[in-house]
Amino acid sequence: GAGVSQSPRYKVAKRGQDVALRCDPISGHVSLFWYQQALGQGPEFLTYFQNEAQLDKSGLPSDRFFAERPEGSVSTLKIQRTQQEDSAVYLCASSLRTGMNTGELFFGEGSRLTVL
Amino acid sequence: GNSVTQMEGPVTLSEEAFLTINCTYTATGYPSLFWYVQYPGEGLQLLLKATKADDKGSNKGFEATYRKETTSFHLEKGSVQVSDSAVYFCALRGSQGNLIFGKGTKLSVKP
Repeated sequence: GAGVSQSPRYKVAKRGQDVALRCDPISGHVSLFWYQQALGQGPEFLTYFQNEAQLDKSGLPSDRFFAERPEGSVSTLKIQRTQQEDSAVYLCASSLRTGMNTGELFFGEGSRLTVL
Repeated sequence: GNSVTQMEGPVTLSEEAFLTINCTYTATGYPSLFWYVQYPGEGLQLLLKATKADDKGSNKGFEATYRKETTSFHLEKGSVQVSDSAVYFCALRGSQGNLIFGKGTKLSVKP
């Protein structure tokens, strides 16, 4: 399809394991965002890429969280030494433009992470 | 900093009832405002938006008016349907283009 694709849709990890979540944005979209959505809450901003440049990572909750977008298209969110509080749905969104003229953000269906 | 506050749910209505979901915001300047909807099992979708004061966004029978005097962007629909059952999120746009969301309001419409 032509939408934002995320994988895996569901991931169960044991506490202490590392996980990697993948996002395939819409082709040609410059901006890419990662959000964390805890159960019953709204999405919380994690980090933002403009092409391959990570311009804002102020929302990453700890240094266990790392994101990259090396070629300006696919992005990976990596969580090291997972903890139970990392259990959430991780949403990726992309948009055609940048900054205040970003336009509509298109969201993927999310990756649901459960840490046991 | 920027933030969004929306009424807590869940909201349960009968089909054809009138819907209001309140949303207020705190922001520097006049950011663009949005309502997103999340249907069961699906991703977030843009429902409507307004980019400046007094703008009215509308889509699928839903409306919201950007009120800078009251810093509000309440969502309304005159006659809800069962298919409107979903979680609704109010959001504002930050300076990088990122969205800042409220906590969401779950709407259930009964036939």
